[in-house]
Amino acid sequence: DAKTTQPTSMDCAEGRAANLPCNHSTISGNEYVYWYRQIHSQGPQYIIHGLKNNETNEMASLIITEDRKSSTLILPHATLRDTAVYYCIVVRRNKTTMVGPGTYKYIFGTGTRLKVLA
Amino acid sequence: DVKVTQSSRYLVKRTGEKVFLECVQDMDHENMFWYRQDPGLGLRLIYFSYDVKMKEKGDIPEGYSVSREKKERFSLILESASTNQTSMYLCASSLRRNYGHTFGSGTRLTVV
Repeated sequence: DAKTTQPTSMDCAEGRAANLPCNHSTISGNEYVYWYRQIHSQGPQYIIHGLKNNETNEMASLIITEDRKSSTLILPHATLRDTAVYYCIVVRRNKTTMVGPGTYKYIFGTGTRLKVLA
Repeated sequence: DVKVTQSSRYLVKRTGEKVFLECVQDMDHENMFWYRQDPGLGLRLIYFSYDVKMKEKGDIPEGYSVSREKKERFSLILESASTNQTSMYLCASSLRRNYGHTFGSGTRLTVV
């Protein structure tokens, strides 16, 4: 099963881009990279996901290397409200003995604690 | 916006009690999940369900069971609560299998 490795913590100045790296060197061809964040005492919030190509939405950009062994989440203009724990996870497909198609599991690591500084 | 609602924000139960944690989602999502979150361990999957009456064990199912009688509701049951089940419990749902999760706000359960 593909696992992810992220730095424990990072700081970023307000208004600057925050670049959060993630290593997933054992990722398989059909596994997606997802990013979530969790602000203290709330449930995790979905940010973005991708398979091979770079992705962008209103919250962030996701850059995936050509070999897919690592990715970077970019918050283009970090604000104080972006202070949170950011999780990079790989969606794992798991075959089941039950009738029906295979199901997906999410394995969360311990994430990166991003602190945006005023 | 999709809402995932967990019935309680904080809960205190005694050792040996049967505990029900309820979760409801309002956007007709196929998949629902229960996680627990502990300091230093991240989120760990307890059980998930990809259809009504269907369930699959996650990574740490011991001491838990689940029920999904209706598509919008996924219940986590602690048959006999123990102190090592003190944790933050998070429910999530997703529209389809490789779609992102939407999480609830969590239930902080303390077993004394």
